[in-house]
Parts: sequence; C-alpha cells; structure tokens
Amino acid sequence: GAGVSQSPRYKVTKRGQDVALRCDPISGHVSLYWYRQALGQGPEFLTYFNYEAQQDKSGLPNDRFSAERPEGSISTLTIQRTEQRDSAMYRCASSPGKWRDEQFFGPGTRLTVL
Amino acid sequence: AQKVTQAQTEISVVEKEDVTLDCVYETRDTTYYLFWYKQPPSGELVFLIRRNSFDEQNEISGRYSWNFQKSTSSFNFTITASQVVDSAVYFCALSRRVDSSYKLIFGSGTRLLVRP
Repeated sequence: GAGVSQSPRYKVTKRGQDVALRCDPISGHVSLYWYRQALGQGPEFLTYFNYEAQQDKSGLPNDRFSAERPEGSISTLTIQRTEQRDSAMYRCASSPGKWRDEQFFGPGTRLTVL
Repeated sequence: AQKVTQAQTEISVVEKEDVTLDCVYETRDTTYYLFWYKQPPSGELVFLIRRNSFDEQNEISGRYSWNFQKSTSSFNFTITASQVVDSAVYFCALSRRVDSSYKLIFGSGTRLLVRP
C-alpha cells in the first residue's frame, strides 16, 4: 500500500511569507505526528494528532507555527511570517494508533527561507 | 528528563568489518519503547526495530543484531560483515507516553560510512 506522502518535497520562500506543508498519512492510521529535522540532527517533535484532535502541540516553537487535521486524515502544518531559522526538513509520520507502534515517516519537505 | 545519546558522531569502517553503534537513553518511565531508524543518503527514515522495556532479549535479523541492557540504559546496534549499502545515518529513539500524547525522542544520529 501507499506510504506517507508529503508535499511539496521542496519549498523555497522569502522571509516573511507564509507556507503550508501537507501530509497524507497511511490510510487508516489514527496517529499523525510532525517533526522538524535540522541538518546533522535527529528529528525533533513538533505536534501530535489523534484522529482530528491535536493532543499535543508542546513542540511547536512559537505561535507562528500551527497545524490542523480537520477530518482525521490529511494534515497541514502552517508557518506564518517565515524566518531564516525556520529552514529545515519537516517530516510527517503516522502510526496505527498505539504508542508502541512504529511511526512510518514520509519523505519530508525541505524548507528553505531566504 | 528524557534523553537519547548517540556519542559516536561518525564511524568509518572497511567493508566486511563488524561495527557497533551505541545508544544510551535516560527516562524515568517504567514502560517505554526503543527504536532504531536508518536514514540512507536518499533521506527517508526507515524503521529497523522496536523493543519494549520489559523485553531484554537480544534480537538478530540477518546481519543486524541489537543488545538491550536495562541495567546500563543502553540499546546498541551491531552490523556484522558490513556492506557499502549500510552507509547511512542511524538514529536511536525513545518512545514515551505522556497523558494522551505519544512522541519519539531521537538521538542526534551516527553517520556510518562503509568503504569498499
């Protein structure tokens, strides 16, 4: 079956612009996660959804970052008024729902803010 | 605090050598899960193994083996007879459950280079 997909794969934007990153999880997966991975580092947790409910947003760096999953499937991570420090790989992952389950990661969106 | 430490930033070996990647974790949870992921040069994150905190049996899968020792809070990964295709960044991760949230806490990764 299809894995987790993310779009766009690459995004270059100018400082101050808003960007929206999309994640399409594996069909039927209840849990959806967003992570951010800086160069040379491991992924860092941003936020977690259980169905459409955002259960944890403790990793979002500031209020310019928001995420939604309105129908419990596709999710969008939005960054407003982008800054150069937002440049990173943004990864989405999904899992069947139990915390012991492995998370399946998408290919990521490489965001570059000029 | 919950933390995963991968002290080896980079390891370089010649093909067919055995190599061990170290992972040390910190947690106060009594129930947790540990994972290893592989990130090849193409960039995706590939799941390798999951181990729960109550199962200290070592696991072997082909050339890969994992040694989980709760007493030393370590979950080390060994590749036997390494191959060039094993070249990648390897991440160890700790899964924890807090209220209704589950998250993975990753180490900073170990870059493995296998030379022909």
